[in-house]
Amino acid sequence: DAGVIQSPRHEVTEMGQEVTLRCKPISGHNSLFWYRQTMMRGLELLIYFNNNVPIDDSGMPEDRFSAKMPNASFSTLKIQPSEPRDSAVYFCASSAGTGAYNEQFFGPGTRLTVL
Amino acid sequence: DQQVKQNSPSLSVQEGRISILNCDYTNSMFDYFLWYKKYPAEGPTFLISISSIKDKNEDGRFTVFLNKSAKHLSLHIVPSQPGDSAVYFCAASPASGNTPLVFGKGTRLSVIA
Repeated sequence: DAGVIQSPRHEVTEMGQEVTLRCKPISGHNSLFWYRQTMMRGLELLIYFNNNVPIDDSGMPEDRFSAKMPNASFSTLKIQPSEPRDSAVYFCASSAGTGAYNEQFFGPGTRLTVL
Repeated sequence: DQQVKQNSPSLSVQEGRISILNCDYTNSMFDYFLWYKKYPAEGPTFLISISSIKDKNEDGRFTVFLNKSAKHLSLHIVPSQPGDSAVYFCAASPASGNTPLVFGKGTRLSVIA
C-alpha cells in the first residue's frame, strides 16, 4: 500500500488566493483527519470524517477554511482567501478504526507558505 | 489550554544510553496514549501505545510507562541510537476506534554518536 498520499507537498501562494490541499487515505480506512502543525500550537486537529461524513469541525479556525470528502478515497481542505497566518504544515491522516489503539497513519504533509 | 504537555522541547543523549521522554496530561477521560516519531519532511509515524488499563508496554528498545494517578507517561528508549534522532509526539485519545488524537508539542531528541 502506498500509504496516505497528500498533494501538493509544497505550496507557496499570495495572500488572498485560494488554496486547495488534497488527500488520498489508505484504502479501506474509514476515518480521515486533517491536522495542522505550527511552531506555536504544535499539531492540532482541524476536522475529521467517519465514513465520509464530517463529525467534528470545531478545530477549523475560521469560515475561510472548508473541507470535503466526496468519497472514501479523496478529501480536500480549502482555504479561501488565504492569509499569512495560515502558513503551516497540513497533515492528513487515516485510520481503520479497528482494534483498541486507534493508530492513525499520516501522510507526508503539505507545507503551505502564504506571502 | 493544552491537554497534553511535553515540557521538554529538546533532549540530547549519548549513543547507547537511555533516552527518557516525558508527557503529562490533564484530561482524566483519556484512555489511550500513543507515541509518534517524526523525521523532517515526513509525517508522524506510530511508535508505541498503551491503554489506561496497563501501566507498561514494551516493544523492543521502546517502553512506555503510564502513571494514571499522576497523569503522566514516559517513553524509554534503550539503548539509544543515532537513528532515533527525531521529534517525538505524545498523543492521547478518550476512546478507542475512530476518534481524534490530542497531541503534545513534541520533544526533539538528538542522539549523539
